[in-house]
Amino acid sequence: SQTIHQWPATLVQPVGSPLSLECTVEGTSNPNLYWYRQAAGRGLQLLFYSVGIGQISSEVPQNLSASRPQDRQFILSSKKLLLSDSGFYLCAWNSGRTDTQYFGPGTRLTVL
Amino acid sequence: GDSVTQMEGPVTLSEEAFLTINCTYTATGYPSLFWYVQYPGEGLQLLLKATKADDKGSNKGFEATYRKETTSFHLEKGSVQVSDSAVYFCAPPYSGGYQKVTFGTGTKLQVIP
Repeated sequence: SQTIHQWPATLVQPVGSPLSLECTVEGTSNPNLYWYRQAAGRGLQLLFYSVGIGQISSEVPQNLSASRPQDRQFILSSKKLLLSDSGFYLCAWNSGRTDTQYFGPGTRLTVL
Repeated sequence: GDSVTQMEGPVTLSEEAFLTINCTYTATGYPSLFWYVQYPGEGLQLLLKATKADDKGSNKGFEATYRKETTSFHLEKGSVQVSDSAVYFCAPPYSGGYQKVTFGTGTKLQVIP
């Protein structure tokens, strides 16, 4: 069966510090991968998606970036965090053969 | 492209009350809709998928019915429990390329004993 992992689960970082969030998927190959952000009390905002290794599409301009160094690994990064980067970050995957998305447990990021 | 409008929350209900959450979208393709649920502190998980006019999806006591005249899907449950407290998102099938899903804004449900 397929599983999706995210870490860390929670993170508190000072403004201006770097960020690296990791997402890995097991039990499938060549998934479509997604990063979403959910600000407090808000809906889901799609940040990045990837259809293959090294292929990243950005949905919104921001100080975040994403990379996909391996087929089932998706990384969200920032060189300098802003207060507005605080939120709940969700990684998701999709097989490309069905239209269901499968979400990871999320990372709660607080920027102080 | 498709646009999604979801009923705003929060919705507060007493245990065993009837629940209905609306989601309206303008479909450019065949009407179907996913409902996802997000329990506190967790990621989203698929609750059910409803397809076709008058074809209800169902899971865990929840049902989703498509109303063709209003292009809306209604998520319903006859008797909610405290454990149903969560945020519910609707989402049509892919919008744009690469299976990009446009989620509704989410409706927070709080069930009180």
